[in-house]
Amino acid sequence: DTEVTQTPKHLVMGMTNKKSLKCEQHMGHRAMYWYKQKAKKPPELMFVYSYEKLSINESVPSRFSPECPNSSLLNLHLHALQPEDSALYLCASSLQGSSYEQYFGPGTRLTVT
Amino acid sequence: DAKTTQPPSMDCAEGRAANLPCNHSTISGNEYVYWYRQIHSQGPQYIIHGLKNNETNEMASLIITEDRKSSTLILPHATLRDTAVYYCIVRRSTDNYGQNFVFGPGTRLSVLP
Repeated sequence: DTEVTQTPKHLVMGMTNKKSLKCEQHMGHRAMYWYKQKAKKPPELMFVYSYEKLSINESVPSRFSPECPNSSLLNLHLHALQPEDSALYLCASSLQGSSYEQYFGPGTRLTVT
Repeated sequence: DAKTTQPPSMDCAEGRAANLPCNHSTISGNEYVYWYRQIHSQGPQYIIHGLKNNETNEMASLIITEDRKSSTLILPHATLRDTAVYYCIVRRSTDNYGQNFVFGPGTRLSVLP
């Protein structure tokens, strides 16, 4: 199984809502990632988890709150988002080490109204 | 991490080889070259990666120059389904923190019938 799953596929939320994005993998990967991708732009790294601990936060606003409850799950909690936060949110996972590729999920298309 | 430079777009005739170049003149000895592609609105898909030697898998071949300052991704028989944005990424990993990928703008490959 080389699949990373993400739910939901699409999400529309208001600026006062609280919602969560979910990512799951069963490949035994201990590194998991959140990326944000705006239209016609490359993915930008947001967070990296290594062994369920947050290891990299790329200066992401606090309205985005990641959580890694176990080695297979990664959540991204959203609160008080702005319309400019509308984007494709991608999750990825990998083994540790420089020679291992990242596997990406299909993404969640988020629209903030 | 070393920066990469890719042409913004390329065309290729269906059935012909697609050769996608990438310059990474500041690459250091322990940095890998990774190639990913992203078909419209899907998650990035891993293609191939290498350190020094040329690599081949079922999808593509990666040719790295001897000085490692540039590389070429070769899709041997391009099909219409290979139309995508292709990203060349150079990344050194720290084992404790997984791999931090920085995506550049990539090359938009159009395979023409």
